[in-house]
Amino acid sequence: GENVEQHPSTLSVQEGDSAVIKCTYSDSASNYFPWYKQELGKRPQLIIDIRSNVGEKKDQRIAVTLNKTAKHFSLHITETQPEDSAVYFCAARGGGNTPLVFGKGTRLSVIA
Amino acid sequence: DVKVTQSSRYLVKRTGEKVFLECVQDMDHENMFWYRQDPGLGLRLIYFSYDVKMKEKGDIPEGYSVSREKKERFSLILESASTNQTSMYLCASRSGGAINEQFFGPGTRLTVL
Repeated sequence: GENVEQHPSTLSVQEGDSAVIKCTYSDSASNYFPWYKQELGKRPQLIIDIRSNVGEKKDQRIAVTLNKTAKHFSLHITETQPEDSAVYFCAARGGGNTPLVFGKGTRLSVIA
Repeated sequence: DVKVTQSSRYLVKRTGEKVFLECVQDMDHENMFWYRQDPGLGLRLIYFSYDVKMKEKGDIPEGYSVSREKKERFSLILESASTNQTSMYLCASRSGGAINEQFFGPGTRLTVL
C-alpha cells in the first residue's frame, strides 16, 4: 500500500521568511495530494491540493509542487506570518476511491 | 458549509468499559473515516466506510469496531477500552469519487484510566 514520508517534523522560521515542507510517496498510481493545516486545538483543514496532471499550484502565499518521476511533493509558504504556526500534514491518495494516507506532520513555528 | 460533528469533545472512561464515539455529517457524503491522532504518529486510519452497512479495516483496526446504519452517521466502538487507546479521535467524511475534499470533525479526546 501507499506510504507517505514527511520532513521535517519540526520547523522554526522567522516571520517573513519562507518555509518548505517535503513529502515523498511510494505508490506511483497515487494521483491526488492534499495538504492540511491543523491549528492548536482545532480540526485539520484543507489548505491546498494538487493532482497528478499538474506540476505546480499556487494560492496567494502558499504553493505546492509535484514531481511524479521522483514521487515527491512539497509545500512552500512565503512571507510567513505568526498565524501560519500550526501542524501541517501532507497526504496522498491512490487510484479509485482509496483512503488518504497521511504523513506524520510538520510542526511549523513562525517567530515574530 | 459541510458540517462534521462528533458527540463529545472530551471523554474519560475506565479500562474495560465499552465506549461509543459518534460522528454525524450533514452533506450526504458516501465516505466516512475514523482516525486516531497521536503526537509524532500523525493521522492513522482505523476504519472507513464507503456506504451504509459497509466497513473496511484501515491500518490499525485492532481493538475497534464500527457501525454505519445510516448514511450520515458513523460510530466507532471500543469493545473493551484499554489505556493504550487514550488518544484524539477524528472523524472525517467526503463525497464519492476519487478526488474530493475530505472534511474533519472537531475530534474527541478520549482518556482511558
